[in-house]
Amino acid sequence: GENVEQHPSTLSVQEGDSAVIKCTYSDSASNYFPWYKQELGKRPQLIIDIRSNVGEKKDQRIAVTLNKTAKHFSLHITETQPEDSAVYFCAASYNTNAGKSTFGDGTTLTVKP
Amino acid sequence: DADVTQTPRNRITKTGKRIMLECSQTKGHDRMYWYRQDPGLGLRLIYYSFDVKDINKGEISDGYSVSRQAQAKFSLSLESAIPNQTALYFCATSDLGRGESYNEQFFGPGTRLTVL
Repeated sequence: GENVEQHPSTLSVQEGDSAVIKCTYSDSASNYFPWYKQELGKRPQLIIDIRSNVGEKKDQRIAVTLNKTAKHFSLHITETQPEDSAVYFCAASYNTNAGKSTFGDGTTLTVKP
Repeated sequence: DADVTQTPRNRITKTGKRIMLECSQTKGHDRMYWYRQDPGLGLRLIYYSFDVKDINKGEISDGYSVSRQAQAKFSLSLESAIPNQTALYFCATSDLGRGESYNEQFFGPGTRLTVL
């Protein structure tokens, strides 16, 4: 089955700096790569996703890049703010598998004011 | 707004007890999932269901069972709870495959279960 590795497990940055979280996956059939943000005590919520036919996607201060050949994808947050502090999960899935996603272990991002 | 809800939100029980966690959704989604979250281990899939007649094991199904009573309801049972099942449990839903975000998972608020 699919295996997703996520690094780093913790990340601390100063407000205004950029943050990058990286994930690798093992199954070349995976074609959908979402990122979820989980604030303390809350449920995970999708913040951005990318499909295998696209190399990069941006939404304001966040962006995701995908390298299918190397089987890795990354989340980039620019101009970080304290409210970006949360746990971020990457995931990989393919649509022929009932939308079943395999999640990374999560990255705890702390943005220091 | 359409939502995913879970009951109870918190539960403390003793070793050997039978526990049921319930999930309901008003999103009209066909697919439902149960995940377990432990610190540093991400979200691990316990069971998932395509529809009311379809139940599938996830990566950590041992010690758990599920029931899909209706399209909108998916229950998780611990037949005989043990301390290492202490965790945060999330129910999630996703759509059948229409639109751009067909694999997006919508999570419930979670149930914090403690087994003493």
